[in-house]
Amino acid sequence: DVKVTQSSRYLVKRTGEKVFLECVQDMDHENMFWYRQDPGLGLRLIYFSYDVKMKEKGDIPEGYSVSREKKERFSLILESASTNQTSMYLCASSLLREGNEQFFGPGTRLTVL
Amino acid sequence: LAKTTQPISMDSYEGQEVNITCSHNNIATNDYITWYQQFPSQGPRFIIQGYKTKVTNEVASLFIPADRKSSTLSLPRVSLSDTAVYYCLVAQNTGGFKTIFGAGTRLFVKA
Repeated sequence: DVKVTQSSRYLVKRTGEKVFLECVQDMDHENMFWYRQDPGLGLRLIYFSYDVKMKEKGDIPEGYSVSREKKERFSLILESASTNQTSMYLCASSLLREGNEQFFGPGTRLTVL
Repeated sequence: LAKTTQPISMDSYEGQEVNITCSHNNIATNDYITWYQQFPSQGPRFIIQGYKTKVTNEVASLFIPADRKSSTLSLPRVSLSDTAVYYCLVAQNTGGFKTIFGAGTRLFVKA
């Protein structure tokens, strides 16, 4: 089975802190994604990557950056956390050009105080 | 990108068949229709995908009419554990690039 793991289930940070969220997948998937999920808004795509060192902006990239130095690992970085970035963050991976089945991690609930 | 429209919520009883319809009037020729299920405090889970007519797996069936402007996810004989949010997405078959998750349909199954 595909396994997507995220570094933390719950995280509490202070405004202005730099925050790293890490995601690792073990199925050699080319694609990796970062979403945030807020009540009533569904999932919104922040960034995605289709290869090592490649990244593409999603719908809401402002305030975020990403890093993909290895195929299995995709990191989301909040350079200076703000309270409006309090949210559930979900990482996903998928095979390139193999349908649209994304495999999601359990999520990280981030609270910025 | 095709946008989708789904009911915000639905109620059902155990043992009933549930049909959730999704509208996607602007679906493109190369778009596929994909459905996900999400339980509280978990990431979404892929249920089924189709292009036209009918697709069935061990979990659900997906009905797509000839014009492909809508699709219906059918869950046979639901149980309490089917209470979840169901998302309909349309996108090209590129591994999920640029897929848009809307607000989904919250299904509540009662005893």
